[in-house]
Amino acid sequence: NAGVTQTPKFRILKIGQSMTLQCAQDMNHNYMYWYRQDPGMGLKLIYYSVGAGITDKGEVPNGYNVSRSTTEDFPLRLELAAPSQTSVYFCAISPDRGNSVGYTEAFFGQGTRLTVV
Amino acid sequence: DQQVKQNSPSLSVQEGRISILNCDYTNSMFDYFLWYKKYPAEGPTFLISISSIKDKNEDGRFTVFLNKSAKHLSLHIVPSQPGDSAVYFCAASAFHFGNEKLTFGTGTRLTIIP
Repeated sequence: NAGVTQTPKFRILKIGQSMTLQCAQDMNHNYMYWYRQDPGMGLKLIYYSVGAGITDKGEVPNGYNVSRSTTEDFPLRLELAAPSQTSVYFCAISPDRGNSVGYTEAFFGQGTRLTVV
Repeated sequence: DQQVKQNSPSLSVQEGRISILNCDYTNSMFDYFLWYKKYPAEGPTFLISISSIKDKNEDGRFTVFLNKSAKHLSLHIVPSQPGDSAVYFCAASAFHFGNEKLTFGTGTRLTIIP
C-alpha cells in the first residue's frame, strides 16, 4: 500500500517544453489535489478533483491542465513551461467525509521538484 | 480569497518551551480542522485534527484548540523539541457532499532553538 505515488521526483525543463507530472493512488479516495509550493511559501492549490471525470480549478490554474479518467490517476500537464512554474509540486488525496464529523485526513505524495530554465 | 490564514510566516522557540501556532478561518461552514507538518524535501504529513463539536484535542505533546466564535484554532506543542522544527500547515474542510475539499493555510515555519 504505497498511498500516493508521484513521478518523476526531479525534472529540469527548458522554457516552452511540455511535460506531465504523474500522480497515482491506491487508497480509492475520491478527492485528489495538485499543489505547488514555491521557495519559502505555502501550498497553493492548482487543480482538484472530486471524483473520476470531475475536475475544478484551484487558486493558480493558469498554465496547467488536468484530467481524471480513473479514480487512481490524476496527471498534471504543463503545456508550455515557464520559469514561473519552477516549484515543488505535491499531489494529495482525501476521502469523502462520510458523515458530518467524519475524518478527512489528506495524504501527500513526496513531491516533484521541477526547474524550468 | 484566503479562507484559511496563518498570519505568522515564522516562529522561533527555545527547546523545552511551548510553541503556539495560530490559524484563522473565514468560512463558517468549515467543521473539521487539521494540522500538517512538513520537513524539507518531503510531503506534508498529518499531525492532529479536531472536529467542530469539540474545542480541544490532545495527542501526546500536541494539543489543538478550536474557538468557533472567533474562527480561530491553535496548535500547542509542549515541550518543544529540535525535531519539531518544520513548516506547519493548518487545513479546514466543510461537510458538503461533492465539495468537501481541504483548504490549506500558507504555513508557519517553526524553528526550535537548542
